[in-house]
Amino acid sequence: DADVTQTPRNRITKTGKRIMLECSQTKGHDRMYWYRQDPGLGLRLIYYSFDVKDINKGEISDGYSVSRQAQAKFSLSLESAIPNQTALYFCATSEPGQGARNEQFFGPGTRLTVL
Amino acid sequence: GDSVTQMEGPVTLSEEAFLTINCTYTATGYPSLFWYVQYPGEGLQLLLKATKADDKGSNKGFEATYRKETTSFHLEKGSVQVSDSAVYFCALSDIQGAQKLVFGQGTRLTINP
Repeated sequence: DADVTQTPRNRITKTGKRIMLECSQTKGHDRMYWYRQDPGLGLRLIYYSFDVKDINKGEISDGYSVSRQAQAKFSLSLESAIPNQTALYFCATSEPGQGARNEQFFGPGTRLTVL
Repeated sequence: GDSVTQMEGPVTLSEEAFLTINCTYTATGYPSLFWYVQYPGEGLQLLLKATKADDKGSNKGFEATYRKETTSFHLEKGSVQVSDSAVYFCALSDIQGAQKLVFGQGTRLTINP
């Protein structure tokens, strides 16, 4: 079984709808991240969490919110989806630590289309 | 802030050709450097990493050397295969504080038989 899972894998929604993307991990990592990937822009950090009580904004948090329900679960919400939020969304996890220990492990991604 | 710049893609090569994908970075501290690979329809996988100057990361025939003097971490492979076709991302992570990953824009590589 995959260590980092994301649901749904694909989603088409309409402008103004609320949508939640979910991420679960079995790696036992404390740190979890949400990124979005756009063609030609690489991955950009939306939010990150270092434990259940710690939530931090990333580079592009406007229009998004997150919830860390448990160590293993980190959800991303779009309260009112808009077309420019159409993208590929990735969840990732890592352990705290210096150097190579902060390798991040990625889920398979959720492709979101907002019409 | 910290940033990563990769060579523009897409890159198309023939099988067994030599590959170089350039990556340069800007960082205030001494970051760790990574190459991630994304195969079609999949998430990102760590390909190789280096944590200090002059370290060489290697995996699956790919290599990259952490060059502090030129702030570079170029990816190389001596003989590419069709199965290497993917998108490659260079990234850095600062070793202090939040240890967030900063990614380059990605380079799409296609290998023709």
